[in-house]
Amino acid sequence: DAMVIQNPRYQVTQFGKPVTLSCSQTLNHNVMYWYQQKSSQAPKLLFHYYDKDFNNEADTPDNFQSRRPNTSFCFLDIRSPGLGDAAMYLCATSRVGSQRGADTQYFGPGTRLTVL
Amino acid sequence: AQSVTQLGSHVSVSEGALVLLRCNYSSSVPPYLFWYVQYPNQGLQLLLKYTSAATLVKGINGFEAEFKKSETSFHLTKPSAHMSDAAEYFCAVSLGVGVDEKLTFGTGTRLTIIP
Repeated sequence: DAMVIQNPRYQVTQFGKPVTLSCSQTLNHNVMYWYQQKSSQAPKLLFHYYDKDFNNEADTPDNFQSRRPNTSFCFLDIRSPGLGDAAMYLCATSRVGSQRGADTQYFGPGTRLTVL
Repeated sequence: AQSVTQLGSHVSVSEGALVLLRCNYSSSVPPYLFWYVQYPNQGLQLLLKYTSAATLVKGINGFEAEFKKSETSFHLTKPSAHMSDAAEYFCAVSLGVGVDEKLTFGTGTRLTIIP
């Protein structure tokens, strides 16, 4: 089945130790998103890629970076995790065209990050 | 700018009773509206979406929602709650403007089903 896969599902890191979360998709979608979701809160968009074009949200901290080496894969790098970065990180994909539409975003199962 | 407001962060209903989760939106253009469900430690799953084709939208698991422009609402309903419906529900709005298409989520409603 076509899907969005996130690895690992659970990640533990130490304060200040760089960490990378990965997302892959078999949907062949042109847009990939990264969200941060803290406990009992709505998902918050960090950034997204439209094909290879990177779009950063204005309030995303510089500590967060992303890479998309090809259509299928996207990575979230946290350069120096702080305690406040502990959260669920959700990857999503969609197929966006040039016409106005309501393309569905398909979410992966998420990676829960713990910072010690 | 667009936004959604979900009234009631926690809703409890008895098994077999009507489920009603409220969502009101604000948008400068005709919006696209979505309901997603999230089970514990899982990603978000689309329940249904409104794309202006029909005001009453039917989704998965017996859920439906009605778009009411005059009330700027998109409430989610299910006639008879099941234990498996216990989850977090998010309403979301998008302007659907090409490459800048983004979802803005409400704060979520946690649904508890009472046996």
